Amino acid sequence: AQSVSQHNHHVILSEAASLELGCNYSYGGTVNLFWYVQYPGQHLQLLLKYFSGDPLVKGIKGFEAEFIKSKFSFNLRKPSVQWSDTAEYFCAVKDTDKLIFGTGTRLQVFP
Amino acid sequence: NAGVTQTPKFQVLKTGQSMTLQCAQDMNHNSMYWYRQDPGMGLRLIYYSASEGTTDKGEVPNGYNVSRLNKREFSLRLESAAPSQTSVYFCASSGRGGVWAGELFFGEGSRLTVL
Repeated sequence: AQSVSQHNHHVILSEAASLELGCNYSYGGTVNLFWYVQYPGQHLQLLLKYFSGDPLVKGIKGFEAEFIKSKFSFNLRKPSVQWSDTAEYFCAVKDTDKLIFGTGTRLQVFP
Repeated sequence: NAGVTQTPKFQVLKTGQSMTLQCAQDMNHNSMYWYRQDPGMGLRLIYYSASEGTTDKGEVPNGYNVSRLNKREFSLRLESAAPSQTSVYFCASSGRGGVWAGELFFGEGSRLTVL
């Protein structure tokens, strides 16, 4: 079965700093990859997804992710974070007809 | 549209008690899921129902049962609650028209404490 690893458990940044959160999936072939965000006290919502095509995927709120097949990676990036980006971020991979999530990365952004 | 609705939002149980978490979606989705969220563990899939009439085990099914009552509703039952089941439970749905697009729509969560 597919799985994902997120190695950054807790990231602390100042506003305007650049962000990169790591995500690696377990094995190759056709993969569908996702990033979800959970703002404090809220449920998860989709940031972006990769099914096929352009490996650079743009999502909401200025986030993007790059699918690098040779590295089994799908890292999330944002050039300049804001205080409102404080949240927990989850990478996920499609495994047949379900999503398998990583352990999440807690991002704290300070003004 | 309400999206995905879960009840109750909060519940405290004693060890050995039973309870059912209810979930309903109004988006005509085929697939429904139950996840639990624990600090440092992320979201782990308990059970899912890819379509009405089917249910399958996820990553952590022990101690739980589910029922896909109809296309809209998917309930999660704890028959004999244990402290290890203290968690936040999320219901999610996906897949309108039989096409699984990958996006899950989540409910607000149910916080369960087992003493």
